[in-house]
Order: sequence, then C-alpha cells, then structure tokens
Amino acid sequence: DAGVIQSPRHEVTEMGQEVTLRCKPISGHNSLFWYRQTMMRGLELLIYFNNNVPIDDSGMPEDRFSAKMPNASFSTLKIQPSEPRDSAVYFCACASIGEWGVGDTEAFFGQGTRLTVV
Amino acid sequence: AQKVTQAQTEISVVEKEDVTLDCVYETRDTTYYLFWYKQPPSGELVFLIRRNSFDEQNEISGRYSWNFQKSTSSFNFTITASQVVDSAVYFCALTKGSSNTGKLIFGQGTTLQVKP
Repeated sequence: DAGVIQSPRHEVTEMGQEVTLRCKPISGHNSLFWYRQTMMRGLELLIYFNNNVPIDDSGMPEDRFSAKMPNASFSTLKIQPSEPRDSAVYFCACASIGEWGVGDTEAFFGQGTRLTVV
Repeated sequence: AQKVTQAQTEISVVEKEDVTLDCVYETRDTTYYLFWYKQPPSGELVFLIRRNSFDEQNEISGRYSWNFQKSTSSFNFTITASQVVDSAVYFCALTKGSSNTGKLIFGQGTTLQVKP
C-alpha cells in the first residue's frame, strides 16, 4: 500500500479564494482524521470520520471550514473563503478503529499539504 | 482537561551521545494510549511506538527505548548512541477522551539536533 496520499503537497492561494485539500486513506482503514499544524497551536485535530460519517467536528475552527468523505477512499477539506491565518500544514491520517471505539492500529499520517494564503 | 507537555523545546547533542526526550501527560481517563511520532525535516509524521495505559513494561527497539511510568504520568523516550539521521522533531501524543488511536492530543514537540 502506498500509505496515505494527500494532494496537493503545496498550495499557494490568495485571500478570499476557495481551497480544497484532498486525501486518499489506506485501504481498509475505517477512520479518517484531518489535523492542522501551526507554529502557534501545534498539531490539532480538526475533524474525525468513522465509516465515512463525520463523528466529531469540534475542532473545525470556523464555518469557513468544511470536510466531506463521499466514500471510503476519498476525503476533502475545503476552506472558503481562505484567510492568511489559515496558512498551515494540513495532515490527513487514518486508522482502523474497532466496534467500541478502540483503535486496532495507530494513526498513519500523510505527508501533509502546506497551505499558504497571501 | 487532557494535556501533553514536552518541556524540552530543543536539544542539541553530538553524535553517539545518548539523549532522553521527556513527556508528561494529564488525563482522567483510565484507559488511554500514548504515542511517540517523529517528524523529520521532510515533514511527514512517522509512528514510533504505541503503549496502552495498562502496560507499563518498558520497551526497547534497537537504539530506541521508552520508559512509561503511570505514577509520574510520564512516557520518556531515549535514543542511545544518537546519529545525525535522528535529527527531527519528536512528538508525544495521548488519545483524546478514549482509546481511539486517531484522536490525539499532541505535545508541542522537541526538536532534536544531532551534530556530527
């Protein structure tokens, strides 16, 4: 397996534009997570999907952020409109989570998308 | 509240020295997992180890070893005979509110520089 694949690796956009980040998780992992990494706040969880259903989006900073998982092999994180303070590295991760919410595996992270909003 | 503290922001050592990275955590959960991840200069997050709260046995993997002590809420990481390739940011993490191994609270990270 190629691991978690994120695209694009780098994105530079102008303030106000819509940005879409993409993630293809490892096949067979039923849970997907979006994280954001900044110097000020470190690594923080934005949203968590289980079996393609959003379970916990309490980390999503504002309504400008939205995430979808239309099927088990694809997820998007969208920012509309983007602002300079959204500049960060966005990571997608996946794991196999059992019936009672216990992790069968550790989380596997993609290489991240470095977003710069100017 | 749950929290992970890595008090050492940066550590610099000379190759072949041993180095210990500290991690202290806070949680009210009785069942939880602790992790260490490595972030090399290329930016990806690489999993190193997972321990559950019921297993305090120390672990050794090659030059890496981990010391988990519930009594002090610590999960420290030691690299023996450090190498330049060990230079990276190391993160300690705790499962957030459950045993879900993907819902993590990360420490702020320790930057390790190993000089030749």
